[in-house]
Amino acid sequence: DAGVTQSPTHLIKTRGQQVTLRCSPKSGHDTVSWYQQALGQGPQFIFQYYEEEERQRGNFPDRFSGHQFPNYSSELNVNALLLGDSALYLCASSLAARVDEQFFGPGTRLTVL
Amino acid sequence: AQSVTQPDIHITVSEGASLELRCNYSYGATPYLFWYVQSPGQGLQLLLKYFSGDTLVQGIKGFEAEFKRSQSSFNLRKPSVHWSDAAEYFCAVNDYKLSFGAGTTVTVRA
Repeated sequence: DAGVTQSPTHLIKTRGQQVTLRCSPKSGHDTVSWYQQALGQGPQFIFQYYEEEERQRGNFPDRFSGHQFPNYSSELNVNALLLGDSALYLCASSLAARVDEQFFGPGTRLTVL
Repeated sequence: AQSVTQPDIHITVSEGASLELRCNYSYGATPYLFWYVQSPGQGLQLLLKYFSGDTLVQGIKGFEAEFKRSQSSFNLRKPSVHWSDAAEYFCAVNDYKLSFGAGTTVTVRA
């Protein structure tokens, strides 16, 4: 049983560019949450997707957007990249009825130059 | 809003010694509390969780945590630390999302 997978593992972009990160949830899970973890800090909640809709959102600007597909996989898009967007981006999956139990992927390390 | 505070940024412990990591929470109702571990370059692995009931919770890798409502704490403990326990540890509280503390880095010396 595959766990949560994320791609790519690492990514280097320059300021102003756009980036797309991908996440496949654990088998059987229907809810995907995204977190940003800056160096030396705890993860911060970006948003959560269920039934292809954004269900909850944290304190992040509109440059951060997402999508969930019918197979429950998800994408995180960041536009107009800033140096401060450099971070580890973590995806977590869960069942809608059990969002208290989230399983994390290994993350995508984004570096913005 | 719910939040957790981890007062210790960095702890160094000798292999075989006991370990205790502190976590204080702020939450109006009975909180759902978690401890996660993150090894370098890795994602987060759940060590244990508390929802209700017995205030002493057993987790994986020999860890346990005790929920104390009177002190708003959920401290993580391990009786005897192994070198492989060197990692970053995060306490978190859950509403519809996880709110994490800043983390405690654990260094294990031989």
